[in-house]
Amino acid sequence: RKEVEQDPGPFNVPEGATVAFNCTYSNSASQSFFWYRQDCRKEPKLLMSVYSSGNEDGRFTAQLNRASQYISLLIRDSKLSDSATYLCVVRGNTGFQKLVFGTGTRLLVSP
Amino acid sequence: GAVVSQHPSRVICKSGTSVKIECRSLDFQATTMFWYRQFPKQSLMLMATSNEGSKATYEQGVEKDKFLINHASLTLSTLTVTSAHPEDSSFYICSAITGFGTQAFFGQGTRLTVV
Repeated sequence: RKEVEQDPGPFNVPEGATVAFNCTYSNSASQSFFWYRQDCRKEPKLLMSVYSSGNEDGRFTAQLNRASQYISLLIRDSKLSDSATYLCVVRGNTGFQKLVFGTGTRLLVSP
Repeated sequence: GAVVSQHPSRVICKSGTSVKIECRSLDFQATTMFWYRQFPKQSLMLMATSNEGSKATYEQGVEKDKFLINHASLTLSTLTVTSAHPEDSSFYICSAITGFGTQAFFGQGTRLTVV
């Protein structure tokens, strides 16, 4: 079983739609959780950290459920520029604080 | 925010040659840097953890004699792909964590093509 699992998609949605991505992780001792965005042939960029209390940044809302080891990302009012791959990332509690990446979920927003 | 610079962004080399990729933290000291590899339509896979002043820690299945890592200073780590083969063609990305360890910053990536 992969440490971090995501539905690879693609998710094809029209502009203005709301779309949700899910992610599960296997290591219950994981400490930190993030969503990164990666455009084609580019490096990943931090979209937002994920907290148990849930957090929102504009049109983006992230949730963490530690009991279920489940992370989600909700995007409201999708824009064409949201088209990218969204990576669920988990950091463990061991030394060096390694990041473990999911395979990513590809989002395509169409006019 | 913190900046990590990776060079070169793209390289084409012949089979059997070696390629060096540099990763620099421009405005902070990075005692630890990470090297990832990403094949098309796949996730970033951690290859090794680079520690300033000591040997790198390699992930299982990554050949340390083929992927040489040197972290000679607090702002520079290098990855050398030795005796490159076409199957080494991939997107290589480095990242560094700031002192507070709350966020990883990534280099721009290096697209290596071995012909």
